Amino acid sequence: DAKTTQPPSMDCAEGRAANLPCNHSTISGNEYVYWYRQIHSQGPQYIIHGLKNNETNEMASLIITEDRKSSTLILPHATLRDTAVYYCIVRLNAGKSTFGDGTTLTVKP
Amino acid sequence: DAGVIQSPRHEVTEMGQEVTLRCKPISGHDYLFWYRQTMMRGLELLIYFNNNVPIDDSGMPEDRFSAKMPNASFSTLKIQPSEPRDSAVYFCASSLAPIPIYFGEGSWLTVV
Repeated sequence: DAKTTQPPSMDCAEGRAANLPCNHSTISGNEYVYWYRQIHSQGPQYIIHGLKNNETNEMASLIITEDRKSSTLILPHATLRDTAVYYCIVRLNAGKSTFGDGTTLTVKP
Repeated sequence: DAGVIQSPRHEVTEMGQEVTLRCKPISGHDYLFWYRQTMMRGLELLIYFNNNVPIDDSGMPEDRFSAKMPNASFSTLKIQPSEPRDSAVYFCASSLAPIPIYFGEGSWLTVV
């Protein structure tokens, strides 16, 4: 599976957009990019995933660069409840998914 | 829809005792994963199953750990004998490829 690199921490003002970057320069053509988040004491929660095209759902938007070597998760209007650790992973096959250290996002009033 | 169900949610046990963690995956999912999370090591994949068959157990720490999946709706992770360093949150997760993984709420294990 491709390795991902994320900043260890980020801050965001409440109500503003939070843009979380992820580098996955060794991603292969059939690997999906997935984003999860983990709020303290809870199990990780799936947010969004994509292969080549940008994706949007009710929680967030995922922007993948044309060369697929990086992506950005966008939370359009961050709230205090979005404070969490955000994990970017790439998934080679249907089975194994390896989580890195993630980005700790702190949304401030 | 019911999510991944884990039990017990919290367990405190004495060193040397056997610990059994249980998991019911989401109905219809064909992959089941066991993860362990600690402050020091983060979220580690221990083992995963596909159609009830163990596919990769390379993350299992040592022979004290064992996992089974006797049918599509039940899995166990057993630690025998338990040690204080096994204290962690153990997550079970399931998926129907290529749909993403859905995690349970975790089993918080403390070995004293």
